[in-house]
Amino acid sequence: QLQLQESGPGLVKPSETLSLTCTVSGASISSSHHYWGWIRQPPGKGLEWIGGMSSSGYTYYNPSLKSRVTISADPSKNHFSLKLTSVTAADTAVYYCAGDGGSDRWYYYWGQGTLVTVSS
Amino acid sequence: EVVLTQSPGTLSLSPGERATLSCRASQSVSSDFFAWYQQKPGRAPRLLIYAASSRATAIPDRFSGSGSGTDFTLTISRLEPEDFAVYYCQQYGSSVITFGQGTRLDIK
Repeated sequence: QLQLQESGPGLVKPSETLSLTCTVSGASISSSHHYWGWIRQPPGKGLEWIGGMSSSGYTYYNPSLKSRVTISADPSKNHFSLKLTSVTAADTAVYYCAGDGGSDRWYYYWGQGTLVTVSS
Repeated sequence: EVVLTQSPGTLSLSPGERATLSCRASQSVSSDFFAWYQQKPGRAPRLLIYAASSRATAIPDRFSGSGSGTDFTLTISRLEPEDFAVYYCQQYGSSVITFGQGTRLDIK
């Protein structure tokens, strides 16, 4: 049973970099055929996929965010991270990390989500 | 990028009724790459259906998925009070995931 937990600042200033970490328990993030991702949801709106990463380190991003997003892993801490640069108010959202133990096509396990507000 | 359009935007039904939610893709999607989620207020989404018609672990059998190509359907055979929520479809293709805009299922 995988468990995921997001952590990071709840407030980021415009033009700065949003940084979040997802700590995984119940499996190693390097375990074969495990896939990880970040999804966000602006207040009152729908879900937007930000990007994903395989256990082997392959990363793939939403084309609309690709120029600003980096997803990386730290196997020693069993966590993976999201960095989103040059943020604006439009990046205000609940950010979820998610994972699956067998497929990169969907996410069975989700963190509880963390609200990040972009404001000066 | 594949755009998913869900209909209706809001569906108002009573407990015990049957719910039919639709999702249309802007181009053909492999059934193997299609999923449905349920989201309740203040909670993370929950995977209901994967590969278009397979129920995820612990999902009641009143939930079923069907469809292929560009048209997919989520059916809830008899609505329970806990089923009133927002439902999202999702597809995966060319290493990109997209979601539909959601259908809100309200109690009538």
